[in-house]
Amino acid sequence: DIQMTQSPSSLSASVGDRVTITCRASQGISNYLAWYQQKPGKVPKLLIYAASTLQSGVPSRFSGSGSGTDFTLTISSLQPEDVASYYCQMHNSAPFTFGPGTKVDIK
Amino acid sequence: EVQLLESGGGLVQPGGSLRLSCAASGFTFSSYAMSWVRQAPGRGLEWVSGISGSGGSTYYADSVKGRFTISRDKSKNTLFLQLDSLRAEDTAIYYCAKHLSGRNWGALDYWGQGTLVTVSS
Repeated sequence: DIQMTQSPSSLSASVGDRVTITCRASQGISNYLAWYQQKPGKVPKLLIYAASTLQSGVPSRFSGSGSGTDFTLTISSLQPEDVASYYCQMHNSAPFTFGPGTKVDIK
Repeated sequence: EVQLLESGGGLVQPGGSLRLSCAASGFTFSSYAMSWVRQAPGRGLEWVSGISGSGGSTYYADSVKGRFTISRDKSKNTLFLQLDSLRAEDTAIYYCAKHLSGRNWGALDYWGQGTLVTVSS
């Protein structure tokens, strides 16, 4: 099975900062990569799928890139409401493995 | 509006069983694959099991293979997860989620609120 890793595991940044989270697959998955946001005590929310396609209603400060094994989620200008854990997930074939998550908070 | 409503969670002893349900509405249920995802207290997301729109294909994480069974009832627009031989490490919130694509599964675009399963003596 394909394994997913994320870095960093946590980060603290100031409002307005550019934030980048990395996700790596143990084998190539083309662009079959999704990103989810989970705020404390809330249900996960789909942000990006197919590596770079923004889900409807998601603010444009979120963007995704990458293909093959290496992917990034970028928040262009961190906002207080972006405090959350972020998870990547491969979605090309089962098992649809998640990464371990990255916790983002405000400095 | 897409809605997913889970039920069936609760406290069960190790070795016991539970059946989780997820009532779906607001979309053509039989056209979309569905999955169960769980989250242990303070931990990350773990994909557990998935089923195709027709119900003809099912998949499981290694951690639950042989113990959990996913199924769906087209007439009731309901997804199920039968949990048998439960262990303490199965304690988690269980979410049902809809796959985005009708043909190729895809990412999980809608999630239920979750139902808590606690395995303890």
